[in-house]
Amino acid sequence: DSGVTQTPKHLITATGQRVTLRCSPRSGDLSVYWYQQSLDQGLQFLIHYYNGEERAKGNILERFSAQQFPDLHSELNLSSLELGDSALYFCASSAPRTGANTEAFFGQGTRLTVV
Amino acid sequence: DAKTTQPPSMDCAEGRAANLPCNHSTISGNEYVYWYRQIHSQGPQYIIHGLKNNETNEMASLIITEDRKSSTLILPHATLRDTAVYYCIVRVSSGGSYIPTFGRGTSLIVHP
Repeated sequence: DSGVTQTPKHLITATGQRVTLRCSPRSGDLSVYWYQQSLDQGLQFLIHYYNGEERAKGNILERFSAQQFPDLHSELNLSSLELGDSALYFCASSAPRTGANTEAFFGQGTRLTVV
Repeated sequence: DAKTTQPPSMDCAEGRAANLPCNHSTISGNEYVYWYRQIHSQGPQYIIHGLKNNETNEMASLIITEDRKSSTLILPHATLRDTAVYYCIVRVSSGGSYIPTFGRGTSLIVHP
């Protein structure tokens, strides 16, 4: 158990809909990262939050947005869903330490299926 | 883009050591090398990381060459449960953040 919790584990929804994925980081971790992994694809970095602030964006679509709340949990919002958005969505958290080299711990993911 | 190069696949007999290589020729002096693995559709699992010294933990050993341009992850006694995709990563700097950036990794199959 990595200590990172993602809900829901599975989500099935229709095209055009909007969904919210939730991530609770490990206790004390200030950084949250979101990734998308499509079938047989690698992990694509979407966005990074640190202590409530957006710090870096990757290949995140404009239809997608995220935020990190004061209690440090994070939500990834996906709207106007398309079939191609079907994927595993992972979040990871890491602890702040001097310097940038800290290991990240991943949740078990949310499997999104758009029908 | 990932800054590492790994063979796409490897196989290993159960009980033998699995040695997974990784090239990171553009690594800079203060960048660590991290290894993760992903067992079919589960969340990636952190294994080990290192800067320039060899490292060992309960899961694996990490051997980093003296010039730091390559490393090898060693699973000393591979089991069937070690079948997974193994990722060697160097975190990519982006706007002050250091992002774990994954390539395609090495698909390790441990066979009986």
